Amino acid sequence: DTAVSQTPKYLVTQMGNDKSIKCEQNLGHDTMYWYKQDSKKFLKIMFSYNNKELIINETVPNRFSPKSPDKAHLNLHINSLELGDSAVYFCASSPRPSAPLHFGNGTRLTVT
Amino acid sequence: SQQGEEDPQALSIQEGENATMNCSYKTSINNLQWYRQNSGRGLVHLILIRSNEREKHSGRLRVTLDTSKKSSSLLITASRAADTASYFCATDGNAGNMLTFGGGTRLMVKP
Repeated sequence: DTAVSQTPKYLVTQMGNDKSIKCEQNLGHDTMYWYKQDSKKFLKIMFSYNNKELIINETVPNRFSPKSPDKAHLNLHINSLELGDSAVYFCASSPRPSAPLHFGNGTRLTVT
Repeated sequence: SQQGEEDPQALSIQEGENATMNCSYKTSINNLQWYRQNSGRGLVHLILIRSNEREKHSGRLRVTLDTSKKSSSLLITASRAADTASYFCATDGNAGNMLTFGGGTRLMVKP
């Protein structure tokens, strides 16, 4: 069983569209995250969600919004997609903040 | 800017040689972690070293931490072609203790 799974693996869409990426973890972890990895491999933390507390990286545009229906899921919604949103988005989870992360295999988003 | 920065950005060695990667960070930390990323995959946790530790070993991996210099190093001994990957350091010295990653070192081990 995959510990952290995200779907879809690839997402190609046009500018201005709204899209969602889903993430599920079966590890029983309390904290989930979204990271963005750009073409130069830099990883940037976007959100952390722990016990219904959302911590947002202040540099993330408000077009991005995480939604957590329950502890095992943290989905990422993106409105009005822009070319610069093209990247690989990684979901991750950990038992608590600062603990080692378990990553999904990423969603490659391409905005045309 | 990134909390952690790895050096070098890329490293190419022959199988059997040792590989050393360095990481520098800016703020106080509780712990520092190293991760590995194979092409097209998510990151995999390798090792965690706490701020009160100076050295840690795991198999062929050796990590050192110098909090006075705000730096860490990852040594992979007797490298193998399968060690080819990108290696990232991550620190937790920010609000919410979210892990912040550096830009990574791309290691290529030639058979």
